[in-house]
Amino acid sequence: NAGVTQTPKFRVLKTGQSMTLLCAQDMNHEYMYWYRQDPGMGLRLIHYSVGEGTTAKGEVPDGYNVSRLKKQNFLLGLESAAPSQTSVYFCATKGISAPNTEAFFGQGTRLTVV
Amino acid sequence: KNEVEQSPQNLTAQEGEFITINCSYSVGISALHWLQQHPGGGIVSLFMLSSGKKKHGRLIATINIQEKHSSLHITASHPRDSAVYICAVHRMEYGNKLVFGAGTILRVKS
Repeated sequence: NAGVTQTPKFRVLKTGQSMTLLCAQDMNHEYMYWYRQDPGMGLRLIHYSVGEGTTAKGEVPDGYNVSRLKKQNFLLGLESAAPSQTSVYFCATKGISAPNTEAFFGQGTRLTVV
Repeated sequence: KNEVEQSPQNLTAQEGEFITINCSYSVGISALHWLQQHPGGGIVSLFMLSSGKKKHGRLIATINIQEKHSSLHITASHPRDSAVYICAVHRMEYGNKLVFGAGTILRVKS
């Protein structure tokens, strides 16, 4: 998906380690979201941001923190990784003004916590 | 009850068949997405709808706002259509967040 880049694409962590996932977009979108995808379940919202400097909790925020210091970047942090955080993480972005209201997705980050 | 329900969960079709995947939602929305995800792959938006019908190639998406229901149709299905199809709605609330259905796993056999 042009315009939304997630890094890294894969990562294996040991329990208790920390890491940061980066979502970068070049579409000047206001809204950015972090979701996790687990087998048999729909994507669930972790945190989201409606603009630079703002963040809000989604459905499953525990164990995660986020920051949006720059409009183009939305960071998802795991301070002390747990096996329950093994998942595929997707970032999405969305504009607020037509015609830029469609959502775009990153390619995903596959995280395994052992 | 999930805010977005999809059916069926799994679907196997023969090449050439007409396929329908359904999505029902229970909340106020500003728009609805149909998304496609290939195994191990990223998520691609196929359609964004707020009313009526859209067509792109062999794919057709319809939405009925009054009935809170949308359908994705695939005509003349092909094995390369095999993927997970996900319905997602933009909630009418702060942040306009996307709420996802669980997805429909489609397999098209040749």
